Amino acid sequence: ETGVTQSPTHLIKTRGQQVTLRCSSQSGHNTVSWYQQALGQGPQFIFQYYREEENGRGNFPPRFSGLQFPNYSSELNVNALELDDSALYLCASSPDNRDTLFFGPGTRLTVL
Amino acid sequence: AQTVTQSQPEMSVQEAETVTLSCTYDTSESDYYLFWYKQPPSRQMILVIRQEAYKQQNATENRFSVNFQKAAKSFSLKISDSQLGDAAMYFCACSGTYKYIFGTGTRLKVLA
Repeated sequence: ETGVTQSPTHLIKTRGQQVTLRCSSQSGHNTVSWYQQALGQGPQFIFQYYREEENGRGNFPPRFSGLQFPNYSSELNVNALELDDSALYLCASSPDNRDTLFFGPGTRLTVL
Repeated sequence: AQTVTQSQPEMSVQEAETVTLSCTYDTSESDYYLFWYKQPPSRQMILVIRQEAYKQQNATENRFSVNFQKAAKSFSLKISDSQLGDAAMYFCACSGTYKYIFGTGTRLKVLA
């Protein structure tokens, strides 16, 4: 059974650019959630996708958007990058939208 | 609104000894789960233990056990026979309708 995978591992962008982060969910999981973890903080919920629909959203601006594909993999897109967007972005999948989250290794985004 | 509070930024334990990490939470949900996740320096979040709020019996997983006090909204993690590999950040989390709320974490150091 393959766990949650994320790409890329690290990414460096400049202010104003756009970025796309990718996540493959664990086999059999139909729900993907994205979290932002700033240095020294706990993860903050961005949004959740359940069967290709956004199922809930945290307190993040519209320039954070996402997609879930028929195979339940997912993308996180961030437009107009700001310095404060520098963080570890964690993807997590679960068998259902209220079940235990299984996390990927994360993507470290640095915005200069 | 949900909140999760971890009041111990850092804890130390001697190898083979027992340590307890504290967590308090607040939620308006009637049906929720509580979790402890471990995040080693390699950064992948790993599920340590899960507690279903409707169950009175405390969850255990090998050397890890919880003390769940629902009325007090307290959910502490006890690690017995601590090992060097237990050194990590530990996050307490409470599930909601579609998202988890995480605490700020406790860094556990294990002394040889």
